[in-house]
Amino acid sequence: DTEVTQTPKHLVMGMTNKKSLKCEQHMGHRAMYWYKQKAKKPPELMFVYSYEKLSINESVPSRFSPECPNSSLLNLHLHALQPEDSALYLCASSQERGKETQYFGPGTRLLVL
Amino acid sequence: DAKTTQPPSMDCAEGRAANLPCNHSTISGNEYVYWYRQIHSQGPQYIIHGLKNNETNEMASLIITEDRKSSTLILPHATLRDTAVYYCIVKPVTGTASKLTFGTGTRLQVTL
Repeated sequence: DTEVTQTPKHLVMGMTNKKSLKCEQHMGHRAMYWYKQKAKKPPELMFVYSYEKLSINESVPSRFSPECPNSSLLNLHLHALQPEDSALYLCASSQERGKETQYFGPGTRLLVL
Repeated sequence: DAKTTQPPSMDCAEGRAANLPCNHSTISGNEYVYWYRQIHSQGPQYIIHGLKNNETNEMASLIITEDRKSSTLILPHATLRDTAVYYCIVKPVTGTASKLTFGTGTRLQVTL
């Protein structure tokens, strides 16, 4: 089973709202990732968590706040977003230490008004 | 990360083999070649990866040249559901979680 689930599938929010994206996997993977994909562009990495600790932040603005409450869950908290943050947000997970194939969820399509 | 070069688009008739090329002339000895695909508005789907040897699984075959500077992903009997953007990615084996750097990929259109 290589399933990563993401909720919600779609999200519309205003620039003053606070919302959260959720990602879950039950494959025992210890690395989890957030990617952002703008329309007609390839995915770009935002954050990496390894063993529930933030290991990579690709200079993402502070209005995006990741959280990894346990090894199966990854959240992305959103606050004061801009319309240009509208995108598909993808979560992925992988094992660590030599078995690094990343498996992606279906994504959350975010629209910021 | 080493860069990859792929044709922007390709067409393939349904039932025929789809051969998707990728150049990675600056690949290092500790870097894998990964292939993912992304069907419209869905998350990227892992297809296959390899280091030196050719690889085959239930989805596809990966042929890597002996000098490792290029590879070809083969979908043996393409169907309409294989229409997608295919990404060839070179990624070092780091022993830790690290990013996938996606290029612009090849848009494969499978037609009747």
